[in-house]
Amino acid sequence: GAVVSQHPSRVICKSGTSVKIECRSLDFQATTMFWYRQFPKQSLMLMATSNEGSKATYEQGVEKDKFLINHASLTLSTLTVTSAHPEDSSFYICSARSKDTEAFFGQGTRLTVV
Amino acid sequence: GQNIDQPTEMTATEGAIVQINCTYQTSGFNGLFWYQQHAGEAPTFLSYNVLDGLEEKGRFSSFLSRSKGYSYLLLKELQMKDSASYLCAVMDSNYQLIWGAGTKLIIKP
Repeated sequence: GAVVSQHPSRVICKSGTSVKIECRSLDFQATTMFWYRQFPKQSLMLMATSNEGSKATYEQGVEKDKFLINHASLTLSTLTVTSAHPEDSSFYICSARSKDTEAFFGQGTRLTVV
Repeated sequence: GQNIDQPTEMTATEGAIVQINCTYQTSGFNGLFWYQQHAGEAPTFLSYNVLDGLEEKGRFSSFLSRSKGYSYLLLKELQMKDSASYLCAVMDSNYQLIWGAGTKLIIKP
């Protein structure tokens, strides 16, 4: 079946640095990719939706200048957490779908900012 | 507004059957998903319903009634490894996933 690969699975970075997370669809063309953040003991929170070739649509309360999303091709979207702070430490998950398929999830990235 | 409701926690016995309900009110409907999530991991896809009826997949089955805005996930022959959170999510008219808060399922021997 379709597979979505997310990399890295874990990353530790220093406060003030930037971190890039990649999300790839391996055997289908992802016209839409979603980025989620998981807060402890809560459900996933949708951060933004990106359609290939266009700017991402951010959910209310999500800082677009802090969480940069690029969906440059039909198989790759990236989320860059800029000037990371300890409060950005979280679990980030992407999902991808084509026009005809359900959404498939990546394995997630655990970000720790020290 | 958009709303997904599911019980916060359920407890069941190993070998038994458990049904996790989900009701929803969303702007449009493009399918309902059930995901399983173990602590510290990303959710994994279990099922997808877009038409009314029951979808069976091994020990897991999912049911949908669009007119009632209702779904359930049925787990049979429960195993200890089934202890996890089960997330109900609806894809709305904009193809965005609206998530429930999840049901924590505790399996006892």
